Amino acid sequence: RKEVEQDPGPFNVPEGATVAFNCTYSNSASQSFFWYRQDCRKEPKLLMSVYSSGNEDGRFTAQLNRASQYISLLIRDSKLSDSATYLCVVNMAGFQKLVFGTGTRLLVSP
Amino acid sequence: EPEVTQTPSHQVTQMGQEVILRCVPISNHLYFYWYRQILGQKVEFLVSFYNNEISEKSEIFDDQFSVERPDGSNFTLKIRSTKLEDSAMYFCASSEAYRGESYNEQFFGPGTRLTVL
Repeated sequence: RKEVEQDPGPFNVPEGATVAFNCTYSNSASQSFFWYRQDCRKEPKLLMSVYSSGNEDGRFTAQLNRASQYISLLIRDSKLSDSATYLCVVNMAGFQKLVFGTGTRLLVSP
Repeated sequence: EPEVTQTPSHQVTQMGQEVILRCVPISNHLYFYWYRQILGQKVEFLVSFYNNEISEKSEIFDDQFSVERPDGSNFTLKIRSTKLEDSAMYFCASSEAYRGESYNEQFFGPGTRLTVL
């Protein structure tokens, strides 16, 4: 089983749509969770950390379900500039390395 | 806003040659990392570095790889004898501190694209 699993997409949505991505992780010792975004041939950029209580940053909302080992990202009112690959990233307790999923590609069209 | 920088942006080398990739982490950060991403694949951890020594490394980080912090600002990754399969994007990252239960937010540089011919 993959350590971090994501639907690769692509998700094709019109501007203004709401889109949700899901991610599952296999190791119950995981302690920190993140969403990064990656544009084509660029570096991963931290979008948001995911807290146990869930958190929101503008149009972006992240949720964590530790019991189901499941993380989600919701994007409301999609913009053309949201087109990118969204990476689900996990860090296990006692380790420094980040474990990346393969990413979910989002394409927002006019 | 402070950022991680990397040089060169693109390095082309012949198989068997040594390469050194350079990074300048964010100035008040204490933990430094190298990751790589083969084209079309996921980002993979190579090594982390703290207090002038390797703190964690992956299976990929074999004897061909080494890291160094030669001065107060640079952090380097050396590949001693490059192979075709080393062709990838290499990202340097840094974090303020690894604080146990707290979040280990890592910030990535723009990467060095390594092409081994």
